[in-house]
Amino acid sequence: GQQVMQIPQYQHVQEGEDFTTYCNSSTTLSNIQWYKQRPGGHPVFLIQLVKSGEVKKQKRLTFQFGEAKKNSSLHITATQTTDVGTYFCAGHIGGSYIPTFGRGTSLIVHP
Amino acid sequence: ETGVTQSPTHLIKTRGQQVTLRCSSQSGHNTVSWYQQALGQGPQFIFQYYREEENGRGNFPPRFSGLQFPNYSSELNVNALELDDSALYLCASSLHRGVGTGANVLTFGAGSRLTVL
Repeated sequence: GQQVMQIPQYQHVQEGEDFTTYCNSSTTLSNIQWYKQRPGGHPVFLIQLVKSGEVKKQKRLTFQFGEAKKNSSLHITATQTTDVGTYFCAGHIGGSYIPTFGRGTSLIVHP
Repeated sequence: ETGVTQSPTHLIKTRGQQVTLRCSSQSGHNTVSWYQQALGQGPQFIFQYYREEENGRGNFPPRFSGLQFPNYSSELNVNALELDDSALYLCASSLHRGVGTGANVLTFGAGSRLTVL
């Protein structure tokens, strides 16, 4: 079936290092959402990207949506221990309003 | 505004039993979606309810069923539980403004963790 692939599955970084997670779809996405799930918690909405080539920033987080609307990335600059958690992309395939979640990238930050 | 609340938070069942999970949606939201999240996996879409009707369904067997009530709260029922049904069940509410109005941003509850022995 249609899937949204996300890599890497895990990423260990030293506090202060940068982090990037990538999301890819074989099908054009109408838009993409990003969620963060802290350990033992539930997914919390971060942002939604709609336009081709769109870039949005939230403090140290930068979100990009590819020109072909088939891929997206989340980049965190100078990670902090508060960034620990699993980051999920959720793509909307075609006109569907039901998101397909990626497997997530778990970020582990070592102090 | 109140967030999404789910109950129970944890429960243990044995294979073959039935379970009902409950969800109260966020104030102002009219749509409820249910997701299954196995350990180390992303949320897998089970189904969505809008206007008290099933509005989309993922790749889950018919023993997974649900309801939405006039106050937009919802239930997820799972019959004939199997060991693989052990997971975190997440309810998410959203505001669906109608066909063609784009994606819904999901507000998740804390989940119900089901263990099937």
